Amino acid sequence: NAGVTQTPKFRVLKTGQSMTLLCAQDMNHEYMYWYRQDPGMGLRLIHYSVGEGTTAKGEVPDGYNVSRLKKQNFLLGLESAAPSQTSVYFCASTWTRDSYGYTFGSGTRLTVV
Amino acid sequence: DAKTTQPNSMESNEEEPVHLPCNHSTISGTDYIHWYRQLPSQGPEYVIHGLTSNVNNRMASLAIAEDRKSSTLILHRATLRDAAVYYCILRSPGDKIIFGKGTRLHILP
Repeated sequence: NAGVTQTPKFRVLKTGQSMTLLCAQDMNHEYMYWYRQDPGMGLRLIHYSVGEGTTAKGEVPDGYNVSRLKKQNFLLGLESAAPSQTSVYFCASTWTRDSYGYTFGSGTRLTVV
Repeated sequence: DAKTTQPNSMESNEEEPVHLPCNHSTISGTDYIHWYRQLPSQGPEYVIHGLTSNVNNRMASLAIAEDRKSSTLILHRATLRDAAVYYCILRSPGDKIIFGKGTRLHILP
C-alpha cells in the first residue's frame, strides 16, 4: 500500500522555467492538498481539491496552478519559477468525513536558482 | 479557521511521559481536534484526533477538556525517536486544515 507518492523528490530549476509536481494516492481519498514549507516555518496551504475536477485556492496560491483530472492524482504547476518558490512541497489526502486524518507524502525539495 | 495556541518548544527526558498542551478557546461544536507530528526531514504524520471524549491509540493519548477549549497530547514513554514538531489543529466540517507553528519537542537522553 503506497499511500501518497510525490514525484520528483528533488529538483533544481532556473528562474523562469516551468515544471509540474505530481501527487498520486491509492487510498481512494476525495480530498487532496498541496502545502509548502519554508525553513523554520510551518506548512502553508497552496491549493486543494475536494473531488475530481475541482480545485480551490489556499493561503498562498499565487504563482501556482493545479489540476485534478483524475481522482487519484493532483498536479501542482509552476509556470515561471521564481527564487521565492524555493521550498519543500508536501501533498496530502484524506476522506471527506471530518473525523479522518490526513496522509502526507514525503515531500519534493525544489530549489529555484 | 479556528486557531490553536501551543508552546514554541518543550523538553522531556527519555522514557518519561510527555504532556503537550494546546489551547483552542474559539473551537466550535463540530470541530475535530487533530494532532500531527513532523520528524526531521519528513512529511507530517497523523498522530491522533478526537471530538469530545479522550482517545487512545498505539502512538499516544489525547485528553480533551470538558469545555473543549484545551487539549493535551500525551506520549506515555518518550523515546529519542519522538523528537519532532507537534501540531495541534482544528478541522472544521468539510474544511481544509491550516497549520500553525507547532511545538518543537526535544528529548533528552
